[in-house]
Amino acid sequence: NAGVTQTPKFQVLKTGQSMTLQCAQDMNHNSMYWYRQDPGMGLRLIYYSASEGTTDKGEVPNGYNVSRLNKREFSLRLESAAPSQTSVYFCASSRGLGGLQETQYFGPGTRLLVL
Amino acid sequence: AQSVAQPEDQVNVAEGNPLTVKCTYSVSGNPYLFWYVQYPNRGLQFLLKYITGDNLVKGSYGFEAEFNKSQTSFHLKKPSALVSDSALYFCAVRSFSSGSARQLTFGSGTQLTVLP
Repeated sequence: NAGVTQTPKFQVLKTGQSMTLQCAQDMNHNSMYWYRQDPGMGLRLIYYSASEGTTDKGEVPNGYNVSRLNKREFSLRLESAAPSQTSVYFCASSRGLGGLQETQYFGPGTRLLVL
Repeated sequence: AQSVAQPEDQVNVAEGNPLTVKCTYSVSGNPYLFWYVQYPNRGLQFLLKYITGDNLVKGSYGFEAEFNKSQTSFHLKKPSALVSDSALYFCAVRSFSSGSARQLTFGSGTQLTVLP
């Protein structure tokens, strides 16, 4: 049981390049999330998917798109990377049965540097 | 809107001494409160959560947290710190009234350093 996995672990992009961050979970969770972590700002929600087939914007969605490929996988795409998107990106999942007390489980993160 | 404040960026404590990492929150409605820990180059790991009931919540690795509704606080505590407790700690909150029911709001994090 690997939990939440993310690829790649580290990526360097040039401004304007595109890339997709991959996330997969093997806990049969319904809900999945993408966060970015910046120094002194905690984690901010980019997009989430409450269940397979649905996606919604979070706090900071501009410049990103997501795809819930199936129940296991949730990808984050940067169409035209900007230096402001330099950050550490975390994927998370939760059971998604509607309870506000649900715990989210996090992947190891992807460090992205945009030059 | 809901928010979380962690007033200390850095907390230093000697090994064996008690530790406290502070968290205050602001929500409309009843809060669900969480503590997560992040070790270097790792994802966040769940420590404990407050849902309802007993104000003292016990979690992983000997940590506990006390919910204080009147002070809107949820401070993380441990009676005797270990060097291995050194990490970045995040407080998070979710409420019934949040616009998106599953959104967690995180604090900015507190770096805990336990000195040998």
